Amino acid sequence: GVTQSPTHLIKTRGQQVTLRCSSQSGHNTVSWYQQALGQGPQFIFQYYREEENGRGNFPPRFSGLQFPNDSSELNVNALELDDSALYLCASSPEEGRGLSYEQFFGPGTRLTVL
Amino acid sequence: AQRVTQPEKLLSVFKGAPVELKCNYSYSGSPELFWYVQYSRQRLQLLLRHISRESIKGFTADLNKGETSFHLKKPFAQEEDSAMYYCALSPLSGSARQLTFGSGTQLTVLP
Repeated sequence: GVTQSPTHLIKTRGQQVTLRCSSQSGHNTVSWYQQALGQGPQFIFQYYREEENGRGNFPPRFSGLQFPNDSSELNVNALELDDSALYLCASSPEEGRGLSYEQFFGPGTRLTVL
Repeated sequence: AQRVTQPEKLLSVFKGAPVELKCNYSYSGSPELFWYVQYSRQRLQLLLRHISRESIKGFTADLNKGETSFHLKKPFAQEEDSAMYYCALSPLSGSARQLTFGSGTQLTVLP
């Protein structure tokens, strides 16, 4: 399945953070979501074959990387208090379309910004 | 812009009673609608999707394009159905089929 590290993280305002995700075997599309307390997940961006494939309404200080081994990273610079949230990654197979398309979620990384 | 609205944050029903979780959406194109569920201490997982027209764990959901709704229903709720439920939509086609989620409904089934 999809794994994420670390499980929890505490940072201070202005710092930078890197979150990691390992996609499910055979998947080459990864999406990142931010879930604030009491809200549904909000799409940050998606990577397909190491290229950014779509982006939600997040500033450029949110950036990502996808590696050939289907692991990926979410980087956030100049952390703000409002960045405190659960960060979810989800992987999906390239060939998934229509009936078979599905995103498989990881357990998330809880980021707290003080 | 696409939007998903779940009007009830909390919903409690008794075991054996019918349950309906409401979901309304706005989207300019052709969407695909999903229900995701998160049981206690578990990860978010797909429950069902409108395109497959399946019944999963006794739950069904019908896409009503006229009312732009995708309500989740089950005729007889069970205690194990207690969980957080999220309605979501994605574009039906295209390269970046990101999900737009509602804010979720916490369902509690009472004994």
